[in-house]
Amino acid sequence: GAGVSQTPSNKVTEKGKYVELRCDPISGHTALYWYRQSLGQGPEFLIYFQGTGAADDSGLPNDRFFAVRPEGSVSTLKIQRTERGDSAVYLCASSSGGSYNEQFFGPGTRLTVL
Amino acid sequence: QKEVEQNSGPLSVPEGAIASLNCTYSDRGSQSFFWYRQYSGKSPELIMFIYSNGDKEDGRFTAQLNKASQYVSLLIRDSQPSDSATYLCAVPSGGSYIPTFGRGTSLIVHP
Repeated sequence: GAGVSQTPSNKVTEKGKYVELRCDPISGHTALYWYRQSLGQGPEFLIYFQGTGAADDSGLPNDRFFAVRPEGSVSTLKIQRTERGDSAVYLCASSSGGSYNEQFFGPGTRLTVL
Repeated sequence: QKEVEQNSGPLSVPEGAIASLNCTYSDRGSQSFFWYRQYSGKSPELIMFIYSNGDKEDGRFTAQLNKASQYVSLLIRDSQPSDSATYLCAVPSGGSYIPTFGRGTSLIVHP
């Protein structure tokens, strides 16, 4: 079956612009996670959805970051007034929410803010 | 702040040897532990998870968990050049679905 997909694979934008990153989870997975990863670091948690609601958004760095999952499937991560420090790979993962909650990652979106 | 620590490496081993990757964690309440493999420029891929003390084997991979000492390790037997990657340890805090990732250990298997 299809895995997690993310679009675009690469996004180059200018400082101050608005960007949207999309994640399409594995069909039937109720849990969806956003992470970002900088070079030489592990993924850093941003936000977790269970169904349509954000169950935990404690990892969002500030109010420029927002994410939605209106129908409990596809999710969009939105970043306003981008800054050069937002440059990273943004990873999405989904899980069926089983007892041990194994997460499966998408290919990521590489965001570059010039 | 929940912490997951890994030696960043690189760990270099010859082909056919056993590679041993280690991870320590700070939250005594953690119940499940995950190892991901990440090739350069790719996303993490789940290879093992363990939740009971002791060893869990899957093919050439063995995960070892010692909750009393708060460490989890990954052994790769008969290492192959294709095993060259960064190995990430991920540990959810007790009662949470959110894993904290270590920074990963870079493994190089040379022919």
